[in-house]
Amino acid sequence: AQRVTQPEKLLSVFKGAPVELKCNYSYSGSPELFWYVQYSRQRLQLLLRHISRESIKGFTADLNKGETSFHLKKPFAQEEDSAMYYCALKETSGSRLTFGEGTQLTVNP
Amino acid sequence: DTAVSQTPKYLVTQMGNDKSIKCEQNLGHDTMYWYKQDSKKFLKIMFSYNNKELIINETVPNRFSPKSPDKAHLNLHINSLELGDSAVYFCASSQGTIGNTIYFGEGSWLTVV
Repeated sequence: AQRVTQPEKLLSVFKGAPVELKCNYSYSGSPELFWYVQYSRQRLQLLLRHISRESIKGFTADLNKGETSFHLKKPFAQEEDSAMYYCALKETSGSRLTFGEGTQLTVNP
Repeated sequence: DTAVSQTPKYLVTQMGNDKSIKCEQNLGHDTMYWYKQDSKKFLKIMFSYNNKELIINETVPNRFSPKSPDKAHLNLHINSLELGDSAVYFCASSQGTIGNTIYFGEGSWLTVV
């Protein structure tokens, strides 16, 4: 069965500092990985998916199959990045999204 | 606006009551989902329907019954509400079951007192 682990429940950085939100996964097949963001009391929004390899709001994430990781990075954090971030894995043969437990990012002024 | 919309956004009800949450998407998707976000912010899938047919049914009490009258709607009915049902319930949709992005609604905050 697939599993997604986000080891940090809380992460606090100062504005302008680099930020990395960790995500590790276990899945026997070839996974599709996503990062979703949830701003305070709002819907989950797709931030990134690994197959598109794009940068959204300055965030990037690279799939490392050797380390089974999909860490989210931003070189200079902004206050408006404060939110809950979820890493998610989608099985290639179906529609189920398995979420990590989420990391609450706080960017301090 | 094209979106996944759910009603009500907030619901406070007493234990033992029966309540429904409605979800509609106008994205033309054929697959819809219900996810539950508990008090610890943990998200887990409950159900998924593809073209009105149930394709995912996680270990959820049978007090929870999804209904999909058509592929644009997926409602969630909960019987005999319990305190532990308090959570945020997110509806979502996607086109197909493989390889496409899942879009979420704004969530329905259910509080059982």
